Amino acid sequence: AQSVAQPEDQVNVAEGNPLTVKCTYSVSGNPYLFWYVQYPNRGLQFLLKYITGDNLVKGSYGFEAEFNKSQTSFHLKKPSALVSDSALYFCAVRETGANNLFFGTGTRLTVIP
Amino acid sequence: GAGVSQSPSNKVTEKGKDVELRCDPISGHTALYWYRQSLGQGLEFLIYFQGNSAPDKSGLPSDRFSAERTGGSVSTLTIQRTQQEDSAVYLCASSTGQGAGQPQHFGDGTRLSIL
Repeated sequence: AQSVAQPEDQVNVAEGNPLTVKCTYSVSGNPYLFWYVQYPNRGLQFLLKYITGDNLVKGSYGFEAEFNKSQTSFHLKKPSALVSDSALYFCAVRETGANNLFFGTGTRLTVIP
Repeated sequence: GAGVSQSPSNKVTEKGKDVELRCDPISGHTALYWYRQSLGQGLEFLIYFQGNSAPDKSGLPSDRFSAERTGGSVSTLTIQRTQQEDSAVYLCASSTGQGAGQPQHFGDGTRLSIL
């Protein structure tokens, strides 16, 4: 069975500092991993995905994520945080053969000016 | 370009009433998903449509929930005899093809409140 853990409900970071939002996963077989961001009263916006290939994946708005197979992690990173990055971030996994995404519980990122 | 469109954006109804939620996917997207987002349960998968195949209904929480997709495009999620625990944001998403690596594109959701 697939599962995703986002261990931090809340992450605070100062503007201009690097940010990391953590995600670990458990799936059978090779994972398809995704990060989404949600702004207030909006749906989820796709940021980036890992399917295969390079472990460092680059996505929208300067975000990137590093796939680590041995640690079963897929942490989201950004070198320099912006106040506008403040939002709710979801990590999601999809198993081969599964029809749906399985989401983590979300991490609220607050970037402090 | 046009994204996934959901209507209504907000719905308030009395317990016991039936509600219908509508989703217009991105044109050309053959896969369509419904999810429910609530404070206590996070994001839960409800149902999946792919082309003309039989839908995957494995996430529907009870037989009060049903969904259909007409002509491979617009989808309607129906909740009969609504209960207070049905209060949530109902999100629709669509994607191209069947590939598991295809990102799902979400609408802004319908916020359902049961009084």
